[in-house]
Amino acid sequence: AQTVTQSQPEMSVQEAETVTLSCTYDTSENNYYLFWYKQPPSRQMILVIRQEAYKQQNATENRFSVNFQKAAKSFSLKISDSQLGDTAMYFCAFMTRHTPLVFGKGTRLSVIA
Amino acid sequence: NAGVTQTPKFRILKIGQSMTLQCAQDMNHNYMYWYRQDPGMGLKLIYYSVGAGITDKGEVPNGYNVSRSTTEDFPLRLELAAPSQTSVYFCASSYSGQFSYNEQFFGPGTRLTVL
Repeated sequence: AQTVTQSQPEMSVQEAETVTLSCTYDTSENNYYLFWYKQPPSRQMILVIRQEAYKQQNATENRFSVNFQKAAKSFSLKISDSQLGDTAMYFCAFMTRHTPLVFGKGTRLSVIA
Repeated sequence: NAGVTQTPKFRILKIGQSMTLQCAQDMNHNYMYWYRQDPGMGLKLIYYSVGAGITDKGEVPNGYNVSRSTTEDFPLRLELAAPSQTSVYFCASSYSGQFSYNEQFFGPGTRLTVL
């Protein structure tokens, strides 16, 4: 069974600083997709960034980037120039052609002014 | 477009009562999903549907039923509510082939409390 592990239940970062959230996953599949979702206090699930496993280049979306290490099954999220609006729960998620999204337990990020 | 809509936003049930959580999408998506999110946890898949008339169990289907008579609607039925079903329920949809990476769009969630 596929599993997703987020080892940091809570993190904090000063405004304008950089923070990295960790995620590891377990699968025997070779083709799969990885995602980071943001869930602010409003509860809305918002897609932050996604990565296809067959692409070696790390995905970037403005201030958000990932460090995808396929051999290590690691998929960390880096947030640069942190803003107060980045305060939220962040979920790492994984899917394959045969399974729908599997979520980690999340990391609660607080951005401090 | 309204995207994915869910009703109600909040509901309190007594043990043993039944209710239906409504979900609708206006994006002509073929895939629809129901998740539950327990406090401090990620989302767990309850049921999903790849198209009208087709449904499949997810990770935590016990105590729930679904139907998909149209592309737009995917209601979730709780027949005999139990305290263990206290959770926030999310509906989502996507347009894709079998589990392609196309983005899932989520509804705003329904907070259900069973007392």
